[in-house]
Amino acid sequence: DVKVTQSSRYLVKRTGEKVFLECVQDMDHENMFWYRQDPGLGLRLIYFSYDVKMKEKGDIPEGYSVSREKKERFSLILESASTNQTSMYLCASSSIGQHYGYTFGSGTRLTVV
Amino acid sequence: GIQVEQSPPDLILQEGANSTLRCNFSDSVNNLQWFHQNPWGQLINLFYIPSGTKQNGRLSATTVATERYSLLYISSSQTTDSGVYFCAVPYNQGGKLIFGQGTELSVKP
Repeated sequence: DVKVTQSSRYLVKRTGEKVFLECVQDMDHENMFWYRQDPGLGLRLIYFSYDVKMKEKGDIPEGYSVSREKKERFSLILESASTNQTSMYLCASSSIGQHYGYTFGSGTRLTVV
Repeated sequence: GIQVEQSPPDLILQEGANSTLRCNFSDSVNNLQWFHQNPWGQLINLFYIPSGTKQNGRLSATTVATERYSLLYISSSQTTDSGVYFCAVPYNQGGKLIFGQGTELSVKP
């Protein structure tokens, strides 16, 4: 069974901490994405990557960075966590040859206190 | 940029009832997907449907690309259908999707 695995289901971090959210896919997908989900706002794209070491900003990249050193792993980094980054974070991957059909991880609910 | 609007925002059904969820988009697209997010947060891809009609069990979807809308039909709803339903369309390039704000469905036993 193909999977996108996010390292943590729940996280609580303090304001100002550096936070790493990890995502691993086992489908050899080229594309990987980080979204955040907030009530009433749906899913908003933070960053995406279409190849190793390649990345592009999404709609709300401020306060975030990403790393993709290996094809299967895509990390989201909060350089200095703030309370307005409390949210559900969703990782997804897709293959170019499959109509961009997405597979999502189960999400990480991050609370910044 | 392209806008995606879903209606209704919330829906409460009695088990066994049917429902129709709507997704409007502001520009022509070559790809539209429907997703279901269960109450535990997991998003599952239901349909890839750029045009026409597809069926999968009690669920079916129709996209009328020329009129820029898609419909998701749920028949004989069950409590396990509860959750949030999203439609999404691509924008720019590279497989990025823009999501609607979702329809939150609650099916009562």
